[in-house]
This record gives sequence, C-alpha cells and structure tokens, in this order.
Amino acid sequence: SSELTQDPAVSVALGQTVRITCQGDSLRSYYASWYQQKPGQAPVVVIYGRDNRPSGIPDRFSGSSSGNTASLTITGAQAEDEADYYCNSRDRSAKRVFGGGTKLTVL
Amino acid sequence: EVQLVESGGGLVQPGGSLRLSCATSGFTFSDYSMNWVRQAPGKGLEWISFISASGGSIFYADSVEGRFTISRDDAKNSLYLQMNSLSAGDTAVYYCAREVTFGGIVAPYFDYWGQGSLVTVSS
Repeated sequence: SSELTQDPAVSVALGQTVRITCQGDSLRSYYASWYQQKPGQAPVVVIYGRDNRPSGIPDRFSGSSSGNTASLTITGAQAEDEADYYCNSRDRSAKRVFGGGTKLTVL
Repeated sequence: EVQLVESGGGLVQPGGSLRLSCATSGFTFSDYSMNWVRQAPGKGLEWISFISASGGSIFYADSVEGRFTISRDDAKNSLYLQMNSLSAGDTAVYYCAREVTFGGIVAPYFDYWGQGSLVTVSS
C-alpha cells in the first residue's frame, strides 16, 4: 500500500506563515485533503481537492500540490491553529491513506 | 444538520469480537460512501475501511483485512463494523466518516465525522 510522509512537528511564531508538507507517490495522481485535529476532538477537514476550503474554514488556510508533494499553508497563524494536521489521499487500489500527522505549535 | 453517532465500543478480551454502529441523520445516507477511521491512544489517524454508496465496493487496510467487516443498512441509515480476532493493537477510538468526492475520483475527502467510540482490547 502507498504511504504519505509528514514531518512529525513544526512550529511557527504567532502571525507568521507556516507550510506543512505531505509526500507520497499517490499524490502524483490524486489530490490530498487536510484535517485539523485538536485534543479530544474529531478531525475537521480544512482543505480538499488541492486548494478548496469548506465553509467556516478561515481563508488563512490554503493548499497546493506539485509532483509527489502536497502542502498546507497557514498564512498568519493564530493561537487557535495549534493542533495536529493530517493529510489523506487514495492510492491506485482505491484504498485511503493518512499521513503520520504533523503537530503544529504556535509560539 | 448532518450527524454521525458511533456506538458499540467498550472493553473486550484479546481474541474477542465487537460490532460498532454508526447512526446517521440529516442527509440521504444511501447517496454517500462511508469510511471507518481509527486512532490508537496518542497516535495518528489510520484509515481502516471504505464502503461505497451502493455497497458494491469495499476496501480494507492491510492491518484489518480478513478480521473486520464493514457493512451498511440504508433502511436504518446506519454503518457497521464487525471486528473479530481483536488484539491489543486494535485498541483505539473508532470514527465513522462520510466521504464525498471533488473533481471525480481524484479528490475524495471526509466531510463529516462522528465523535468516536473507544474500543479497548485487554484481558
């Protein structure tokens, strides 16, 4: 099965910009979606279809993709953005797969 | 309002079985593919199973293939996960998640999630 690789942890100063990346061969064919998860809560989708935000998600969240890498960018990070972030996609066998997750700390 | 509510979790002995349910409301259940996702304590998300809207396509993660069975009952607007031969490694919070696609098959994503049901496998 395919894998998606994320950096385990990233930090950003309050108000600055941070990029969280996700690498995997399946991303050459399928878009990633991104999920935010805060402690004790269910995940929430923040980006889908490369760069689409569900209603209610602030426009400081954006997505991009190039080759085998998908990226989630938070422009002007806020304290409430501190959370775990997971990418997800499908592989050629139609199975879904999550990245290992990135813990974002807002300093 | 879309709602997904998992139930059926609890403590089970190694080698035992458990059946999880996900009751849904607020949308036409039969129109949507559904998934089960789990999260072991302190660990990341792990996708474990998918069932298409028609029920005709079913997929499993390698970690549960042959032990878990996903099913759906459109008359009851419910999703199920039958879990057999459980081991400590199956201890996790189990989430059901609705799937939608954007741009066809190239961009599936999970737009609604339940709050999860904790399964603990221990003697």
